[in-house]
Amino acid sequence: KAGVTQTPRYLIKTRGQQVTLSCSPISGHRSVSWYQQTPGQGLQFLFEYFSETQRNKGNFPGRFSGRQFSNSRSEMNVSTLELGDSALYLCASSPLEGADTQYFGPGTRLTVL
Amino acid sequence: AQKITQTQPGMFVQEKEAVTLDCTYDTSDPSYGLFWYKQPSSGEMIFLIYQGSYDQQNATEGRYSLNFQKARKSANLVISASQLGDSAMYFCAMMREHNTDKLIFGTGTRLQVFP
Repeated sequence: KAGVTQTPRYLIKTRGQQVTLSCSPISGHRSVSWYQQTPGQGLQFLFEYFSETQRNKGNFPGRFSGRQFSNSRSEMNVSTLELGDSALYLCASSPLEGADTQYFGPGTRLTVL
Repeated sequence: AQKITQTQPGMFVQEKEAVTLDCTYDTSDPSYGLFWYKQPSSGEMIFLIYQGSYDQQNATEGRYSLNFQKARKSANLVISASQLGDSAMYFCAMMREHNTDKLIFGTGTRLQVFP
């Protein structure tokens, strides 16, 4: 079974631009979560989607948004990029909410110049 | 509020030796799950082991075992017979087991295995 895939793997943007990151969960998994990892703040939860509904949201500004499609694939969007948005963005999937396993993708490394 | 604490920023271990990575947690929820992940320099988070708060036995997965002491709120990861490929960052994480997949992570421990 293929793992969680994330595209693109690397991205360079400039301040003020917007970016869309994509995550394809493991086949059959319906829950997708997003995390931001930075050296200063560590790993922080962004949001969680289950059956196309946002179930939980972390403490991030409204510039960060996401959605999930009927095939469970998910996208996250960051508008008006700031230098502090430079981070590794990780996506995780699980078969159900509260499952005992969450599998992560390789991440998208975003650099904002 | 829920919190995960990893007090060891870095650990060294010799190949083939066992090593324990510490993790303590704080929660008032009676039901929760504890996870350990490995993150090599490539960035991908690799799931290692899971322990549910109601599990009576300590979880084990191959060379990984979780020393779960509920009263002390600790969930230490034990890696037996360390290998050079075990060198990576290790994160302890916690999740409430109801209607959420939100993981709260610790700050991580960098493990270096030397020959």
